[in-house]
Amino acid sequence: DADVTQTPRNRITKTGKRIMLECSQTKGHDRMYWYRQDPGLGLRLIYYSFDVKDINKGEISDGYSVSRQAQAKFSLSLESAIPNQTALYFCATSDFDTYTDTQYFGPGTRLTVL
Amino acid sequence: LAKTTQPISMDSYEGQEVNITCSHNNIATNDYITWYQQFPSQGPRFIIQGYKTKVTNEVASLFIPADRKSSTLSLPRVSLSDTAVYYCLVGPSGAGSYQLTFGKGTKLSVIP
Repeated sequence: DADVTQTPRNRITKTGKRIMLECSQTKGHDRMYWYRQDPGLGLRLIYYSFDVKDINKGEISDGYSVSRQAQAKFSLSLESAIPNQTALYFCATSDFDTYTDTQYFGPGTRLTVL
Repeated sequence: LAKTTQPISMDSYEGQEVNITCSHNNIATNDYITWYQQFPSQGPRFIIQGYKTKVTNEVASLFIPADRKSSTLSLPRVSLSDTAVYYCLVGPSGAGSYQLTFGKGTKLSVIP
């Protein structure tokens, strides 16, 4: 969805390096999420944020940190990258809706840690 | 959260109707059933959501029996562009949707 953008789209880094993945959205949604996807597996939730002052850990937050700089921006950091963090990372947004709360995903960032 | 079981993969010829069934035996009273579609190297995209009976939109239909222990996503007359992974998610909608779990999904391959 073009309303959710992620930078960079591809990144190769070395073990021990700090890296930041950025997500921006123009949908005006309050909720933002970070997922990772490994080959043959589903998506796993890393962190989520319901508004600028609210940050919550997901299923697999160890080794990751996030920053919600503004309603439209949600960054994911790997403080010291390791090879098993090689994966496809997705950012998503949703608007509070008591019925559907549909999530809208960005195009993904392919991260390789050597 | 309700655990879901769906086939790992399915093949279909172009023009056929495809039905993907998802089992969710321990679905809770306030759980909704949501399906997403994911193309290679893209993020998942919402297809359809339902609570009971039948829901239809411009893309698919969702059939949910009275006991809600399973659901079937129906794609009419598939084309090559429908080749994707389809995820069945069961859980609270709205405020609780962040708890939804994307499993391995069903990889649909449409054959010319």
